[in-house]
Amino acid sequence: DAGVIQSPRHEVTEMGQEVTLRCKPISGHNSLFWYRQTMMRGLELLIYFNNNVPIDDSGMPEDRFSAKMPNASFSTLKIQPSEPRDSAVYFCASSWAGGADTQYFGPGTRLTVL
Amino acid sequence: TQLLEQSPQFLSIQEGENLTVYCNSSSVFSSLQWYRQEPGEGPVLLVTVVTGGEVKKLKRLTFQFGDARKDSSLHITAAQPGDTGLYLCAGRPSNTGKLIFGQGTTLQVKP
Repeated sequence: DAGVIQSPRHEVTEMGQEVTLRCKPISGHNSLFWYRQTMMRGLELLIYFNNNVPIDDSGMPEDRFSAKMPNASFSTLKIQPSEPRDSAVYFCASSWAGGADTQYFGPGTRLTVL
Repeated sequence: TQLLEQSPQFLSIQEGENLTVYCNSSSVFSSLQWYRQEPGEGPVLLVTVVTGGEVKKLKRLTFQFGDARKDSSLHITAAQPGDTGLYLCAGRPSNTGKLIFGQGTTLQVKP
């Protein structure tokens, strides 16, 4: 199994630029989660989808953040415009909602906004 | 807002020692999970506990879910350097598909 695939693994950009993070969930999984991890705040849920539909986006910090899931095998998290405080590791995770709730995490994207 | 508080936040011990990590909340969770995360990787599930009072063992690791399903503990016996990592507890509120994560406990086991 390929596991959850995220790209890029590292992203360095300048303040004000648009950033797009990508995620391919495990085939057959119907729930997808975007998290942000920082030393100060730990692992925070930003948004999750069930069957490609956004269910809870209460964790999305601002209107600068948006997420889409156009099909069952792909999701994006976009930040526009990016700010230095957005620097963090962003994880995507997927699960089978009808199962034991095990979430399988990708390797993460380390974002640095200068 | 449902919160999970983990303690301690940092723990540095010698190989062979025992340790316990706690995860507490004022809220009830339908299930609670423990994950382990290594540097540069995503968290990996260790165990899921569902029933109040449930105890699960995974080799030298023992996990317990509180009777009221508000708290949990992770006990490691005879810690090894390979146990080093970030341990995260995560609770699932009822009627939701999301997880609430604790802040994590960073464990360092020195040889």
